Amino acid sequence: GENVEQHPSTLSVQEGDSAVIKCTYSDSASNYFPWYKQELGKRPQLIIDIRSNVGEKKDQRIAVTLNKTAKHFSLHITETQPEDSAVYFCAASINSNYQLIWGAGTKLIIKP
Amino acid sequence: EAQVTQNPRYLITVTGKKLTVTCSQNMNHEYMSWYRQDPGLGLRQIYYSMNVEVTDKGDVPEGYKVSRKEKRNFPLILESPSPNQTSLYFCASTPDERASMSYTFGSGTRLTVV
Repeated sequence: GENVEQHPSTLSVQEGDSAVIKCTYSDSASNYFPWYKQELGKRPQLIIDIRSNVGEKKDQRIAVTLNKTAKHFSLHITETQPEDSAVYFCAASINSNYQLIWGAGTKLIIKP
Repeated sequence: EAQVTQNPRYLITVTGKKLTVTCSQNMNHEYMSWYRQDPGLGLRQIYYSMNVEVTDKGDVPEGYKVSRKEKRNFPLILESPSPNQTSLYFCASTPDERASMSYTFGSGTRLTVV
């Protein structure tokens, strides 16, 4: 079955710098890749997603890139701000069965 | 307001005392799921349901039961809770639309079993 690995488990960056979180997946049939953000004490919320027919997607300071050949996708956050501090989860899915396979999460710390 | 509602938010109980965590969604979503979240382990799926009366095991189903008698409700039942079920639990739902996989999560239930 599908397996999703997420790295790093913790990432600390200076405010204003960029942050990159990477996930790899095992099943080449996966075609949907969302990213969720979970602030401390709150529920996970979708921040961006990408489908396999697209290589990159941007939404203001966040972007996701997908490399289908290498089977990895990455979350890029530019000009990081204190409110970006959270745990970020990647996931992968084969659309036909609704199942999301989750990465273990990355704790992003923004240093002032 | 479109939402997934979980109750209770916090629960402390004793080993062996049956409990139910309720989950209700008002978005007419087909798919509902339960996760537990533990430090360093991310989100692990307990059970899921693709429609009324259709449920299936996730990755960590032992010690849990669910039911889906109506589309909006998906309760999680712990028949005989044990301390290793102390965790943060999330219910989630998603619409029956294969082009859209956005999960809506409930606010979470922090369960402590002593």
